Amino acid sequence: AQTVTQSQPEMSVQEAETVTLSCTYDTSESDYYLFWYKQPPSRQMILVIRQEAYKQQNATENRFSVNFQKAAKSFSLKISDSQLGDAAMYFCAVYAGGTSYGKLTFGQGTILTVHP
Amino acid sequence: DTEVTQTPKHLVMGMTNKKSLKCEQHMGHRAMYWYKQKAKKPPELMFVYSYEKLSINESVPSRFSPECPNSSLLNLHLHALQPEDSALYLCASSLREDEQFFGPGTRLTVL
Repeated sequence: AQTVTQSQPEMSVQEAETVTLSCTYDTSESDYYLFWYKQPPSRQMILVIRQEAYKQQNATENRFSVNFQKAAKSFSLKISDSQLGDAAMYFCAVYAGGTSYGKLTFGQGTILTVHP
Repeated sequence: DTEVTQTPKHLVMGMTNKKSLKCEQHMGHRAMYWYKQKAKKPPELMFVYSYEKLSINESVPSRFSPECPNSSLLNLHLHALQPEDSALYLCASSLREDEQFFGPGTRLTVL
């Protein structure tokens, strides 16, 4: 079984500044994938970024980047040049189901507020 | 078409009603999922259909009945629900095992 912990229930950032959201996870699997999803008040879950555990290089997607520390089982999300549209609930998730379609394990989420 | 669609957006039903939620994707994805999400909580997996067959049922009460008529369509039939079943119901689909794409959800209120 997998567990995901997001220790920051809420975070805030000024527009144009940088913010980092924390996530730690636990899994006994050697092959797994990590995700950050964003859920704005409009409620649709949007995939922000994806990291394969076997890759050492940290994933980046425009203003979003991760700091993946495999030994520490840590997977933080950095948002650069924050925009008002980044305000949302962010969920960290892990998938370790191998080659079968299965369950994403989510953290409890971090609410991000962006101040103008 | 690169999205998952869900209808209706909002649904209000009484405890004796029968209703259905619908989810569609036309991306050729092989798996479809139903999740339940309470406010400010993470989604909780309910069902997984893989190649149109039910592969995971997370011990969901029988008042929720999933159906996958074809590879593009997923339904969730609702009957005799309780007020505590009020939630956002999210559908997702995936081509790769490890990546799920979500629809906008149906906000369900049970009176």
